[in-house]
Amino acid sequence: DAGITQSPRHKVTETGTPVTLRCHQTENHRYMYWYRQDPGHGLRLIHYSYGVKDTDKGEVSDGYSVSRSKTEDFLLTLESATSSQTSVYFCAISSGSPYEQYFGPGTRLTVT
Amino acid sequence: TQLLEQSPQFLSIQEGENLTVYCNSSSVFSSLQWYRQEPGEGPVLLVTVVTGGEVKKLKRLTFQFGDARKDSSLHITAAQPGDTGLYLCAGFKAAGNKLTFGGGTRVLVKP
Repeated sequence: DAGITQSPRHKVTETGTPVTLRCHQTENHRYMYWYRQDPGHGLRLIHYSYGVKDTDKGEVSDGYSVSRSKTEDFLLTLESATSSQTSVYFCAISSGSPYEQYFGPGTRLTVT
Repeated sequence: TQLLEQSPQFLSIQEGENLTVYCNSSSVFSSLQWYRQEPGEGPVLLVTVVTGGEVKKLKRLTFQFGDARKDSSLHITAAQPGDTGLYLCAGFKAAGNKLTFGGGTRVLVKP
């Protein structure tokens, strides 16, 4: 199993509060991704990183920001959480083959 | 509108039966991946197909990539309760350097 951890695993927060989710890898992989998974929508890419301090937007990036100051950590921040951001968030990594991604266990976020 | 459409969305069968899941698109992909996801866990990569017409087998699972690299199928022979899960296809386009996921097919194999 790829060494990927996500924290926290579960979080409940109130509308308007900032939230940061962390993804940590021990594989030294170059690429890291943040997805959200919602019923009927499958997995949708939020942001991804192709190296330290190199990030780009995915298809549902509005309301989210990311940072990658170290190879092993990729942070996802919701600056002001909204109820529409209630979802399960997955981090993924890949090495030389961006299309073969390995996923973390997920973070269930509820915004009330 | 999803770029990759999976069908059916849900499939319930008895142990020992066969099943096929389809993944279709109007776009051409450089490669296509199949993942399986169990409740409370992240998706796990099963296979990658790259060449049009390619067929790969993983025990009782057979994966096929369409000749035009626009579609794929997953066939499970003699399904077992352990095959229960959410099956996701994902297409990769080299130009975008990103995966696009289908909506998933939820498979339930009853003993």
